[in-house]
Amino acid sequence: EAGVTQFPSHSVIEKGQTVTLRCDPISGHDNLYWYRRVMGKEIKFLLHFVKESKQDESGMPNNRFLAERTGGTYSTLKVQPAELEDSGVYFCASSPLLDNEQFFGPGTRLTVL
Amino acid sequence: DQQVKQNSPSLSVQEGRISILNCDYTNSMFDYFLWYKKYPAEGPTFLISISSIKDKNEDGRFTVFLNKSAKHLSLHIVPSQPGDSAVYFCAAFPYNQGGKLIFGQGTELSVKP
Repeated sequence: EAGVTQFPSHSVIEKGQTVTLRCDPISGHDNLYWYRRVMGKEIKFLLHFVKESKQDESGMPNNRFLAERTGGTYSTLKVQPAELEDSGVYFCASSPLLDNEQFFGPGTRLTVL
Repeated sequence: DQQVKQNSPSLSVQEGRISILNCDYTNSMFDYFLWYKKYPAEGPTFLISISSIKDKNEDGRFTVFLNKSAKHLSLHIVPSQPGDSAVYFCAAFPYNQGGKLIFGQGTELSVKP
């Protein structure tokens, strides 16, 4: 069974540009989460989808971040315009509907110069 | 305000000895705890979990202990192996707040042959 996949693995952009990260969860997983780890600190929750609906977006830093999950399958996280403090590793995770264990993707390392 | 804390950023242990990784939390509403292991350039992978109704859970070489009165949990690895070298994250589920995980900063374990 394929795990959670994320694309790209690494992105380097300049301040003010736009970047879109993609996550493909494990097939059949209704829960999809985005997290971010900045500069070796804790992994911080950004938002949670149940199928195509945003269940909790309390961790989104500001309105420069926009997440979507079209049709309840893959998800995208767009950062527009990117700022220096957005640099970090963005992880996506998925889980079945009533399961506590979340399966993480390898992450996208975003560097904003 | 960090609700899950791992105060040791790194730990070095000799192969065959016990590794003890510690985690403290502040929120008494946490009712489920997990440990994740992360290798470089990979996403975190689930290792072991414990419900707040238990004080110990064991899986092979890995045991997690929970002391609710002290709001403290620990992960014991016995015996430690070089392949255990990784970053270990403690994570907690807040009760009734959906599925988001609250992570600690991680402890980098190095097991030396």
